[in-house]
Amino acid sequence: AQSVTQPDIHITVSEGASLELRCNYSYGATPYLFWYVQSPGQGLQLLLKYFSGDTLVQGIKGFEAEFKRSQSSFNLRKPSVHWSDAAEYFCAVGPFSGGYNKLIFGAGTRLAVHP
Amino acid sequence: GAGVSQSPSNKVTEKGKDVELRCDPISGHTALYWYRQSLGQGLEFLIYFQGNSAPDKSGLPSDRFSAERTGGSVSTLTIQRTQQEDSAVYLCASSLGGETDTQYFGPGTRLTVL
Repeated sequence: AQSVTQPDIHITVSEGASLELRCNYSYGATPYLFWYVQSPGQGLQLLLKYFSGDTLVQGIKGFEAEFKRSQSSFNLRKPSVHWSDAAEYFCAVGPFSGGYNKLIFGAGTRLAVHP
Repeated sequence: GAGVSQSPSNKVTEKGKDVELRCDPISGHTALYWYRQSLGQGLEFLIYFQGNSAPDKSGLPSDRFSAERTGGSVSTLTIQRTQQEDSAVYLCASSLGGETDTQYFGPGTRLTVL
C-alpha cells in the first residue's frame, strides 16, 4: 500500500540556517510528489510538486525538493530559513487512480525558527 | 480570485448530534475532495467528487459520514450521531480535475465533539 513517512515530527532551526525536511514514500510506480505548508489557522498551500522530468524541483518561497528514486525520497530544502517559514510541512504522494489524484499525506513536520 | 471557502470555521457539538460542514470550491473547479486532519496525524482522504460522476466514498470511515455536492459546486459533509473520535479539522480541496492539476485547500472546519 502507498504510504508517506516524515521521520521528523518537530524541527527547530535558527533564522538564516539551512533546512532539510525528510520525506520517504512507498509506492509501486513513479509517484506524483508534493510538499504543502500549513501555517497556523490557514489551509494548506502547495510549495512544489513533482510529476516527471528534472528531479530537482523549484517551488515558491525559495524552497526546492529533490526526487531520488533509489532512496524513495523527496526531501524539501531551503538554503536560508526566515522566521516566517515557521509552520507545519506535509509531504504527499498522489497515485493516479480512477482518473484523479487522491493524495496520501505524511504526518507532517512542525518547523520552529529561532531568531 | 476567491479561494476555497469552508463554513463554519469552528463547530462544537455534543456527542450524538448531527453536524453539517460546508465547502465552496473555486469557481470552475470540477473536482472536489474532503480530507480529515486529526490531532498529530496527517491528512486522511475521505471522499472525492468529479463533475457528474458517482463520488468515490472509499475513504469515509463509517456509514455515519456522508457527503453530497449540489449542482456540481457546493458540497456538504454530514456526520450523524457524532462521536468524540470525530473531533478533527475537516479540509476541503478543489481542482480543475486533471491528473496533474493542483488541489487548492480551504482553511478547514475544526470540529470538536464533547
